[in-house]
Amino acid sequence: KAGVTQTPRYLIKTRGQQVTLSCSPISGHRSVSWYQQTPGQGLQFLFEYFSETQRNKGNFPGRFSGRQFSNSRSEMNVSTLELGDSALYLCASSLALGTDNYGYTFGSGTRLTVV
Amino acid sequence: EDQVTQSPEALRLQEGESSSLNCSYTVSGLRGLFWYRQDPGKGPEFLFTLYSAGEEKEKERLKATLTKKESFLHITAPKPEDSATYLCAVQMNSGYSTLTFGKGTMLLVSP
Repeated sequence: KAGVTQTPRYLIKTRGQQVTLSCSPISGHRSVSWYQQTPGQGLQFLFEYFSETQRNKGNFPGRFSGRQFSNSRSEMNVSTLELGDSALYLCASSLALGTDNYGYTFGSGTRLTVV
Repeated sequence: EDQVTQSPEALRLQEGESSSLNCSYTVSGLRGLFWYRQDPGKGPEFLFTLYSAGEEKEKERLKATLTKKESFLHITAPKPEDSATYLCAVQMNSGYSTLTFGKGTMLLVSP
C-alpha cells in the first residue's frame, strides 16, 4: 500500500518568489493536513483539508495557502518567500477529519530552503 | 494556551540502558495523546495512541503510559536502531481538532 507522497523532496528558492508543494494521500484517505517543522519551533500546524474544504487553520500569515482536489490530493502555496520560511513541510493524511485511532500518516516532507 | 512539553530535549543511552521520556500537557479536554518516532530526513511514524488516564500500550521495547497531566514513553533495553527523535502530540476534545506537537526528545543509543 503506497504511503503519503510529497513532491518535490527538496527545493531551493529565492526570497520573494513563490512555491507550490504537492501531496498525494494514502488511497482512501480524505483528510490532508500540512505542518511546518523547524528546529526552533518543532511541528506547527498549517491547515487541514477535507472534501476540498479547509476545515482548520493554524496561526500562519495569509502568504500560506492550500487547496484540495476532488481526488484528495492537496497542494500548499507560499507566496513572497522569506528566509524564515525555510523548513521541512510535512503532509499527513487520515481517513476522516482530525485523526483516527492510528493518528496521521505522514509523508517524508519537502525540504524548502529560501536564500 | 494549550501546551505540550517534552523532556529531556536530548538523551544519550548505552545499549541495554533503560530509560523514560516525558511528555507533559496542559489542554482543556484531552481526546487523545499520540507518540511518533521520526528518523532524520523522514516524516514522523506513528507509534501509539492513548485516550484515558491509566492506559498503557506496548510495542517491542517501547511502552507508553498516560496520566491526567503527562505521558511517559519507557524504553527497555534499547538498541542502536531505537535512535531517533520521539514526538508527543495531543488532540483536544473539541470539534475536529488537530494535533499539537511537542518539540521532541532526540534519543541516541550507543552500542
